[in-house]
Amino acid sequence: DAKTTQPTSMDCAEGRAANLPCNHSTISGNEYVYWYRQIHSQGPQYIIHGLKNNETNEMASLIITEDRKSSTLILPHATLRDTAVYYCIVRPPRGQETSGSRLTFGEGTQLTVNP
Amino acid sequence: GAVVSQHPSWVICKSGTSVKIECRSLDFQATTMFWYRQFPKQSLMLMATSNEGSKATYEQGVEKDKFLINHASLTLSTLTVTSAHPEDSSFYICSARQRGSGGVRAQYFGPGTRLLVL
Repeated sequence: DAKTTQPTSMDCAEGRAANLPCNHSTISGNEYVYWYRQIHSQGPQYIIHGLKNNETNEMASLIITEDRKSSTLILPHATLRDTAVYYCIVRPPRGQETSGSRLTFGEGTQLTVNP
Repeated sequence: GAVVSQHPSWVICKSGTSVKIECRSLDFQATTMFWYRQFPKQSLMLMATSNEGSKATYEQGVEKDKFLINHASLTLSTLTVTSAHPEDSSFYICSARQRGSGGVRAQYFGPGTRLLVL
């Protein structure tokens, strides 16, 4: 699976948009970008995923560059409860995994939302 | 979304004893369950993958005789840490993949079990 690079930590003011970048320059054409987050002492939580087009759901928006070598997760109005470690994961679609169906987590970005 | 539970949520035990952690998919059937371990300030590390009714597949460096995994039904997997030692103290997280769905989104995580071995 393609490797991802994320900043170690970021800060954001409450109520402002939080923009979390992820570099995945070795991404293959059929690999998806997934975002999970982990609030302290809890299990990871799925946020969003995408392939080429930008995606939006009730939690966040995902912006993928045209060359797909990087993406940005956007939390439009960050709250204190959004403080967590955010993981960007790149994986091939179903049936094309070479490493089984498991998720492999990198180091992620510690997002701290300040009041 | 689908719910995965773990029991217990935390456990303290003496060195040398065995500890069993349960992982249940509450409202869906899971053909595959995953066990992760997370040390403080580190990311999740996959320990093993288990499919219902078959032996678990362990990641490199994970001792299968020390971390016994049983996936006897479509809704329950157990991880037993045998002869636990202080270095086994960690946060153990299970994940269940919904039956009939192959996408990553269909993988749901439990709340984790914190193990402290004295």
